[in-house]
Amino acid sequence: KQEVTQIPAALSVPEGENLVLNCSFTDSAIYNLQWFRQDPGKGLTSLLLIQSSQREQTSGRLNASLDKSSGRSTLYIAASQPGDSATYLCAVRRGAGGTSYGKLTFGQGTILTVHP
Amino acid sequence: SQTIHQWPATLVQPVGSPLSLECTVEGTSNPNLYWYRQAAGRGLQLLFYSVGIGQISSEVPQNLSASRPQDRQFILSSKKLLLSDSGFYLCAWSGQGGLGYTFGSGTRLTVV
Repeated sequence: KQEVTQIPAALSVPEGENLVLNCSFTDSAIYNLQWFRQDPGKGLTSLLLIQSSQREQTSGRLNASLDKSSGRSTLYIAASQPGDSATYLCAVRRGAGGTSYGKLTFGQGTILTVHP
Repeated sequence: SQTIHQWPATLVQPVGSPLSLECTVEGTSNPNLYWYRQAAGRGLQLLFYSVGIGQISSEVPQNLSASRPQDRQFILSSKKLLLSDSGFYLCAWSGQGGLGYTFGSGTRLTVV
């Protein structure tokens, strides 16, 4: 059974800092890994998607890396801003086959607060 | 472009009442469709997924059911709500090619 863990559970930083959010998963047989952002009371917004054959993806100030063999991914946020405050969720999608093809397994999330 | 619509945004229902939450996707065909629940203090849990019309798979035994009457329509239902059904319900879709998920805006359900 896939388990996804995110560290830290919460993070509070001053504006302008570079920060790293960590995600680890127990089963390396993944199809892809996706990072989401969730604002309070809202749905999930996709930030970055990394296929199992890729090492990293970048979008603006965000960079996500994937080390499938060690079961780890990191989300790097450069020059953080108060508008980055949200919960960040990591989710892995299992590979083809099995009874739950396409299922996403989520971590518990990291609650990020960036204060001015 | 593809969009996903989910309604209602919030719902307060008494215990024992029925439930119907609707989700529709536009701009794509034959999507994989999913219902997730996010309970307070807990992570996201997959409830149902569908790879085609009338094809529903359940991940966990529960008081809820799902149906897919049309290609881009996914409905979450219950005949009699329980207090434990309270939570934030999210609909999502992904392409058949297995790319990323796109989520709806969610429905906050409170059973009183």
